[in-house]
Amino acid sequence: AQRVTQPEKLLSVFKGAPVELKCNYSYSGSPELFWYVQYSRQRLQLLLRHISRESIKGFTADLNKGETSFHLKKPFAQEEDSAMYYCALRGNGNTPLVFGKGTRLSVIA
Amino acid sequence: GAVVSQHPSWVICKSGTSVKIECRSLDFQATTMFWYRQFPKQSLMLMATSNEGSKATYEQGVEKDKFLINHASLTLSTLTVTSAHPEDSSFYICSARSPGHNQPQHFGDGTRLSIL
Repeated sequence: AQRVTQPEKLLSVFKGAPVELKCNYSYSGSPELFWYVQYSRQRLQLLLRHISRESIKGFTADLNKGETSFHLKKPFAQEEDSAMYYCALRGNGNTPLVFGKGTRLSVIA
Repeated sequence: GAVVSQHPSWVICKSGTSVKIECRSLDFQATTMFWYRQFPKQSLMLMATSNEGSKATYEQGVEKDKFLINHASLTLSTLTVTSAHPEDSSFYICSARSPGHNQPQHFGDGTRLSIL
């Protein structure tokens, strides 16, 4: 079964502080992992995906198959990073995304 | 970029009525669309996978007769909540995947359904 776990419902950090949003997954095969972000009153947007290995808005995430994790990191948080972040997993084939419960990031000035 | 449009954005109606929500992929063709439901302060729960030209695949616990899905074309899927009741009040979000290998899912703005 596919499962995505985001242990923190809320994460508050000061501006300029490092951020790490945790995500662990459970899947028997080789999944694709994604991070989606939802800013206030906006639609869900793709932030990054593990196969791209890119940095978006200063965020990075590395897939650790040994620990089955895909934590989202940013070295210096900005106020505009405040949003809801969802980790998602997609299994093989044309299967839909399965989401974690989300973590609300609040960056305090 | 790929855009998914959802309509209406907000519906308020009386208990017992049926409500149709449309999901369109504006600049790409989507053979598969997905319908999610989101309760307040909770994550997105997959309801069903909508396949163009064939029957939708429903997740366990989702009533097929309550949530009718039609995917009549490569750019349009509809979700009809039949004989809606207050417990059906929720935020419904559709998603479509761009064609091709390893493409991400794109999401609509969602529809807030309030049943009185």
